[in-house]
Amino acid sequence: AQTVTQSQPEMSVQEAETVTLSCTYDTSESDYYLFWYKQPPSRQMILVIRQEAYKQQNATENRFSVNFQKAAKSFSLKISDSQLGDAAMYFCALLQGAQKLVFGQGTRLTINP
Amino acid sequence: KAGVTQTPRYLIKTRGQQVTLSCSPISGHRSVSWYQQTPGQGLQFLFEYFSETQRNKGNFPGRFSGRQFSNSRSEMNVSTLELGDSALYLCASGLDTQGDNEQFFGPGTRLTVL
Repeated sequence: AQTVTQSQPEMSVQEAETVTLSCTYDTSESDYYLFWYKQPPSRQMILVIRQEAYKQQNATENRFSVNFQKAAKSFSLKISDSQLGDAAMYFCALLQGAQKLVFGQGTRLTINP
Repeated sequence: KAGVTQTPRYLIKTRGQQVTLSCSPISGHRSVSWYQQTPGQGLQFLFEYFSETQRNKGNFPGRFSGRQFSNSRSEMNVSTLELGDSALYLCASGLDTQGDNEQFFGPGTRLTVL
């Protein structure tokens, strides 16, 4: 069975600093996709970044980047120049089969001004 | 383009009742997935529909069911409600075509079972 583990229930960072959220996963598939989603207090889940397993290059979206280590089954999210609007729950997710996302337990990120 | 909409946003029911939740996907999206979010269990996949066919189902009892209409709108039904069914129910839609598997989430329906 596919599993996703986020070992950091809570993280905090000073505004403008960099923070890294950890995620490990387990799957027997060779072709899969990994995602980081953000869920602000308003509850609307928003896609932050996506990584295709077959791509060796780490995905980057503006201030957000990932460190994808396929052999180690690790997929961490780095947020640079943290902003107050980045405060939210962050979920790591593995796409398994037809549009079935397996989520980690989430990391609550607090930004300190 | 309008986003994913879910109705109602909030719902209060009592044990034993049944409930129907609705999800309207983004125009053009034929895949609709449902997830249950609780503090204890986190986000769990319920089921996914594509062109009116259920393609995938999570590990939930038969009290949870769903369907999709020809316009891609989807409904999920929970019968004989239990206290543990209190949760945020999220719907997500997507194109699910080659190279495009992003899911767009709705705001959710908060169900409270008393």
